[in-house]
Amino acid sequence: GNSVTQMEGPVTLSEEAFLTINCTYTATGYPSLFWYVQYPGEGLQLLLKATKADDKGSNKGFEATYRKETTSFHLEKGSVQVSDSAVYFCAQYSGAGSYQLTFGKGTKLSVIP
Amino acid sequence: EAQVTQNPRYLITVTGKKLTVTCSQNMNHEYMSWYRQDPGLGLRQIYYSMNVEVTDKGDVPEGYKVSRKEKRNFPLILESPSPNQTSLYFCASSFGANQPQHFGDGTRLSIL
Repeated sequence: GNSVTQMEGPVTLSEEAFLTINCTYTATGYPSLFWYVQYPGEGLQLLLKATKADDKGSNKGFEATYRKETTSFHLEKGSVQVSDSAVYFCAQYSGAGSYQLTFGKGTKLSVIP
Repeated sequence: EAQVTQNPRYLITVTGKKLTVTCSQNMNHEYMSWYRQDPGLGLRQIYYSMNVEVTDKGDVPEGYKVSRKEKRNFPLILESPSPNQTSLYFCASSFGANQPQHFGDGTRLSIL
């Protein structure tokens, strides 16, 4: 079946450091790809999305590019803040017309002042 | 405000005592889904519904039931809860296939 693999955490960075969280997917075709963020004690919020190859999703300084050739959707941010501390989930639908969203296991990010 | 509302937010109960977790959305979404979140396992889909009276199993449906009698509501039913169902549960909804899902704030269930 389809799966999403993201780098294991936890990840600890100093404020203003560069962030990369790797994510690879296995669905065939052109599934929509997402990054969700979960702040402590809250539900998941959509951070950004991309729906086709070479699309770049961006929000709140975070970016991720849909790379069909490497089946990847890595999350990046140039300068993290303490308020970015959260758990980040990469997710994919299995294909166009799909209702089943598959999540990675999550990566916990802690940003220290 | 557009939202997905789950109740209760926290529940501690005992093995075998039937319970229902309610989920309601006010966005007129056709699609709704239930997930459980466990440490080291991420989110796993329990059941989903593509529209009223249309439901299907996700990856981990054993021990759970759902119903979709109205578009806005999608309750999760545990007929005979067991300790291995202790988890954090999330309800989500979306307009349809391949669309971003909107999540509730979660329900933390502890089954003793």
